[in-house]
Amino acid sequence: GGIITQTPKFLIGQEGQKLTLKCQQNFNHDTMYWYRQDSGKGLRLIYYSITENDLQKGDLSEGYDASREKKSSFSLTVTSAQKNEMAVFLCASSRFRDWGVSYAEQFFGPGTRLTVL
Amino acid sequence: GDSVIQMQGQVTLSENDFLFINCTYSTTGYPTLFWYVQYSGEGPQLLLQVTTANNKGSSRGFEATYDKGTTSFHLQKTSVQEIDSAVYYCAMRAGYKLTFGTGTSLLVDP
Repeated sequence: GGIITQTPKFLIGQEGQKLTLKCQQNFNHDTMYWYRQDSGKGLRLIYYSITENDLQKGDLSEGYDASREKKSSFSLTVTSAQKNEMAVFLCASSRFRDWGVSYAEQFFGPGTRLTVL
Repeated sequence: GDSVIQMQGQVTLSENDFLFINCTYSTTGYPTLFWYVQYSGEGPQLLLQVTTANNKGSSRGFEATYDKGTTSFHLQKTSVQEIDSAVYYCAMRAGYKLTFGTGTSLLVDP
């Protein structure tokens, strides 16, 4: 078994502020992901990292940066917070390196809830 | 591009009622289909995977079916309980990306 830890659990920011969210996993998984969850819109992929030195843009990467510091950690930065923005950011990881070859279940963290004043 | 449509945003049932949630998908690839469940305050977790057309997956009393002809997949449970209250997401993997539906919030009244 393993666990995904996301910090902070709640994040309150100001408009225009640069905000960083952190994710740690102890599954020893190769691949990590960041999703944004908005009410009524499901989960949308922001960035993912197939291996430790890889970084790939998802469908919603504009306005975000990501960094895979080591195999177990993956950070997401909101480059300029938007006023009245509210969303939950979910980190996930999976075991296999290549989705195209074999299926690997994604395990999710509990999320960071962002509110921008 | 790839898309998954999940029309039922909210469903309210009583205990022992029948649950049926439907999703349709669109892709040019060969999809693998999933159902995820998200309980309040937690991240989503895998409920079921369905990989073969017209075959069912099952877990925790839930069953999933997949119809390649209509590009649709369904989640059902014969008798829901209050503990099943959660948000259910259908999802599709085609290539490297996992595409989620918009979620169905299920509330089961005791």
